[in-house]
Amino acid sequence: QQPVQSPQAVILREGEDAVINCSSSKALYSVHWYRQKHGEAPVFLMILLKGGEQKGHEKISASFNEKKQQSSLYLTASQLSYSGTYFCGTERYRDDKIIFGKGTRLHILP
Amino acid sequence: DGGITQSPKYLFRKEGQNVTLSCEQNLNHDAMYWYRQDPGQGLRLIYYSQIVNDFQKGDIAEGYSVSREKKESFPLTVTSAQKNPTAFYLCASSITSGGQPQHFGDGTRLSIL
Repeated sequence: QQPVQSPQAVILREGEDAVINCSSSKALYSVHWYRQKHGEAPVFLMILLKGGEQKGHEKISASFNEKKQQSSLYLTASQLSYSGTYFCGTERYRDDKIIFGKGTRLHILP
Repeated sequence: DGGITQSPKYLFRKEGQNVTLSCEQNLNHDAMYWYRQDPGQGLRLIYYSQIVNDFQKGDIAEGYSVSREKKESFPLTVTSAQKNPTAFYLCASSITSGGQPQHFGDGTRLSIL
């Protein structure tokens, strides 16, 4: 079942913070986060495995609440390069296929 | 440099025609995937393969076929049975299936003439 991402779109000014959420109705083994710029391939950001460990990647970090089957991606002090569409992907168990959400479009204004 | 190569970048299909999209990887990854991307729909899984000579249907396999005769190659055929093939097709690979990051190719944009 496809995870639900919110919000669908966000417009920020450079330097502002954003949070993107990803929710599933099923218990999860892992949550993946990817960013895609227009016309390009998605680029891997991070994976969170069940256990609730928060991960960081420069000014981008994420958390995974396995009790709520929810993950959040945090972008702090956003830069123009952060613009793009962010996708979460979920796996229900170790060798499961990834099911991607519909994406959250992020636009950063100078 | 290792990576995933998709070709062609743009492809046009005539009515009733089968077309094949190429996907080659030199990352020595066991798992490979095909996704279809339509505006506002995210990435939808067509087929995936966890090992050579084996593959499984994804969520939207109807009208598509694949083969996995070599570890490096996972071609996708869009058959004439696929009535709405216009989309952006992405190939990806990962070291193994499960809990591993996926590396994507640059995609093939398929249009109908």
